[in-house]
Amino acid sequence: DVKVTQSSRYLVKRTGEKVFLECVQDMDHENMFWYRQDPGLGLRLIYFSYDVKMKEKGDIPEGYSVSREKKERFSLILESASTNQTSMYLCASSLPLAQRGFFGPGTRLTVL
Amino acid sequence: ELKVEQNPLFLSMQEGKNYTIYCNYSTTSDRLYWYRQDPGKSLESLFVLLSNGAVKQEGRLMASLDTKARLSTLHITAAVHDLSATYFCAVLPETSGSRLTFGEGTQLTVNP
Repeated sequence: DVKVTQSSRYLVKRTGEKVFLECVQDMDHENMFWYRQDPGLGLRLIYFSYDVKMKEKGDIPEGYSVSREKKERFSLILESASTNQTSMYLCASSLPLAQRGFFGPGTRLTVL
Repeated sequence: ELKVEQNPLFLSMQEGKNYTIYCNYSTTSDRLYWYRQDPGKSLESLFVLLSNGAVKQEGRLMASLDTKARLSTLHITAAVHDLSATYFCAVLPETSGSRLTFGEGTQLTVNP
């Protein structure tokens, strides 16, 4: 059974903290993605990676960075968390050319 | 800027009725995806449409793609309560590599 897992389902952090969100996939997929989901805005792409150590900015990269040191793991980093980064964060993976994507369960992050 | 618009955003229907969700997009693409999201859960892939005129069906759901009109439809036949969920379409523009752009989602409620 294919799987994308995320390190936390719920996370509460304080403004200014550095936050790490981890995503692991076991399907040997080249592509990995980080989205945030907010009511009325759908899913918006933050960053994606198409290979180890490769990354590209998505539509809303400001305030975020990413790391992909191993093929199966893609980390999203909030360098200094702010309240407007309170959101649901979804990780996804796929084979090249955006074949069917698989999503993780999501991390609901609250920044106080 | 690519826009992906779903219509309606909220849909309340009775069991046994038929209805269609529309997904319009503003760029050239021949790849469109439909996902389902249950409350508090992640996204599940429903359909992958890869060419003009593509039609896919599973159970009471049927999806189609008209690339000339830049329109995809998700048709629900004889709705049942279990179909209550939020449905997202996502478009892969021709020039974007593996980057999907999602619509806002259609929240479907099927009432007994």
